[in-house]
Amino acid sequence: GAVVSQHPSRVICKSGTSVKIECRSLDFQATTMFWYRQFPKQSLMLMATSNEGSKATYEQGVEKDKFLINHASLTLSTLTVTSAHPEDSSFYICSAGSGGSYNEQFFGPGTRLTVL
Amino acid sequence: DQQVKQNSPSLSVQEGRISILNCDYTNSMFDYFLWYKKYPAEGPTFLISISSIKDKNEDGRFTVFLNKSAKHLSLHIVPSQPGDSAVYFCAASALKNSGGSNYKLTFGKGTLLTVNP
Repeated sequence: GAVVSQHPSRVICKSGTSVKIECRSLDFQATTMFWYRQFPKQSLMLMATSNEGSKATYEQGVEKDKFLINHASLTLSTLTVTSAHPEDSSFYICSAGSGGSYNEQFFGPGTRLTVL
Repeated sequence: DQQVKQNSPSLSVQEGRISILNCDYTNSMFDYFLWYKKYPAEGPTFLISISSIKDKNEDGRFTVFLNKSAKHLSLHIVPSQPGDSAVYFCAASALKNSGGSNYKLTFGKGTLLTVNP
């Protein structure tokens, strides 16, 4: 399958700072990227869907001004957690798709964010 | 409101035996179901899927069964191998009911499968 990378894999930051997470599709062009969040012992929760060159579509209850998503190219999407707080500490994971069937949606390894 | 439920957080099976992972859903609009496997520190990888027009799909050692009336699906792994030890996520989507444009997946909480040698 195709490879999706995320950077950084782990980040610790102070409360009030902003953190940027990158999601890259390494060997294919991703027309759509998805950002998920997973709290311990919980399911992957979709936060937003982004299509290259257009604004992201956010799920209900997800603050778009807090979680800024930029899908500037077909291989890169970024999620910026602005003014992070301890309750934002979570596992953030992206997936990338080329617009085909579901088994063409490939997941990154995730980013563990800890806000002190 | 948990629309996709995996009520067993963990399952332990002996090598060579059958592993059965269960998943229930509440949204009758779901028409496509997937199973993903996840190792620690890695992203989920697609395993097998089933459309609501079918009741069974088989791929090697993996078989998914769908019971629409009960809103229940299960993943059977036989024979189970130690390398199958991972967290298995059930996911669902309402693809057709969205006009074929909504690839949004709703996940369950996952079941940790341990296959003992």
